[in-house]
Amino acid sequence: DQQVKQNSPSLSVQEGRISILNCDYTNSMFDYFLWYKKYPAEGPTFLISISSIKDKNEDGRFTVFLNKSAKHLSLHIVPSQPGDSAVYFCAARVGAQKLVFGQGTRLTINP
Amino acid sequence: KAGVTQTPRYLIKTRGQQVTLSCSPISGHRSVSWYQQTPGQGLQFLFEYFSETQRNKGNFPGRFSGRQFSNSRSEMNVSTLELGDSALYLCASSLYQGANEKLFFGSGTQLSVL
Repeated sequence: DQQVKQNSPSLSVQEGRISILNCDYTNSMFDYFLWYKKYPAEGPTFLISISSIKDKNEDGRFTVFLNKSAKHLSLHIVPSQPGDSAVYFCAARVGAQKLVFGQGTRLTINP
Repeated sequence: KAGVTQTPRYLIKTRGQQVTLSCSPISGHRSVSWYQQTPGQGLQFLFEYFSETQRNKGNFPGRFSGRQFSNSRSEMNVSTLELGDSALYLCASSLYQGANEKLFFGSGTQLSVL
């Protein structure tokens, strides 16, 4: 049972444009959401998070939006840069329980 | 401050063998989690340890086991290896086992079972 789903395995965006990565979840009890970025041969690194009491969190070029009624999470990267090319994972948890990850989306930024 | 260290980086085993993977968390971190990453499946949770006690467990068979030592270092063991166990095994640490804790990952151990 995949509680966190990233339905787009890959996404290609032109440098300077906006990248939008999407994530859907089924467990309405999730109260904390995170995005991780992973380069080849490295472990995932934390990017940005959002609590369920908020609907938006911004950190520089990265903004995460949470739509609880739709059980939908998105990550916006503006402007996209070549160094943003990586695999992005969304993750969610209930309280102090395990972090549940999506399958990942491979983002490619084209010059 | 050193990050999460996993050893070895690469491992090749044959079916039926057993393997032990090691993880040293960030200094001061007391919680260690293990994940399995395979193509198309994302990161699948194996287990989490806090202060030497297993606090959470994923849906993996009993061939997968782990432990945590008093210095917070953790080991994961897989017995009777199967071809499907080939994956990247990631260890992550956090300061506590809290609701808003962020996980810090190591680079992983790439296990190939032949």
